[in-house]
Amino acid sequence: EAQVTQNPRYLITVTGKKLTVTCSQNMNHEYMSWYRQDPGLGLRQIYYSMNVEVTDKGDVPEGYKVSRKEKRNFPLILESPSPNQTSLYFCASSSRTGQRRDTQYFGPGTRLTVL
Amino acid sequence: AQSVTQPDIHITVSEGASLELRCNYSYGATPYLFWYVQSPGQGLQLLLKYFSGDTLVQGIKGFEAEFKRSQSSFNLRKPSVHWSDAAEYFCAVALSGYSTLTFGKGTMLLVSP
Repeated sequence: EAQVTQNPRYLITVTGKKLTVTCSQNMNHEYMSWYRQDPGLGLRQIYYSMNVEVTDKGDVPEGYKVSRKEKRNFPLILESPSPNQTSLYFCASSSRTGQRRDTQYFGPGTRLTVL
Repeated sequence: AQSVTQPDIHITVSEGASLELRCNYSYGATPYLFWYVQSPGQGLQLLLKYFSGDTLVQGIKGFEAEFKRSQSSFNLRKPSVHWSDAAEYFCAVALSGYSTLTFGKGTMLLVSP
């Protein structure tokens, strides 16, 4: 089944404790992206990647890092989480070629709480 | 920079009644347009999209949307709402399908018996 998976789905942590949220897709998509969703603000893009080793900032990159060493994986790293990073995070991927191009497919979300 | 406005934060519709959710965008060119739905506790599911061609687009679950260039709008419609349609709906625009999606703030649909 074609899908985007995220782990963990739920995470409660404390300020300053480094964490990684993993994202993996099995559709051989070139493009991957991270969004955060906050009440009343909709979804905002954090980082995106057009292909392996190519990443760029979105609208709200501060406090986050990403890497794209393999095509299928795009982890989101919070080096020193703070309470204002409490949010619902979504990973998405999209193909640049083929019949399924131009549509972003979203993972199930990771709810992060930073105390 | 592009922006998306969904003017209604909440909408309540009776089951069986018709639905229209509004979406306006601000963009220099014709963008790629999307509607996503998010059920409680779930991820986002694509309902439909518009890239070019016929301005009336059919999607899943009986939804359709019409692109009106003159009004910079992409409103979502459904002729008869079911209780299972209760969810939050997001309109989004992009330069292309794989570039940054700019989302509206969402419209929460409540369905009354």
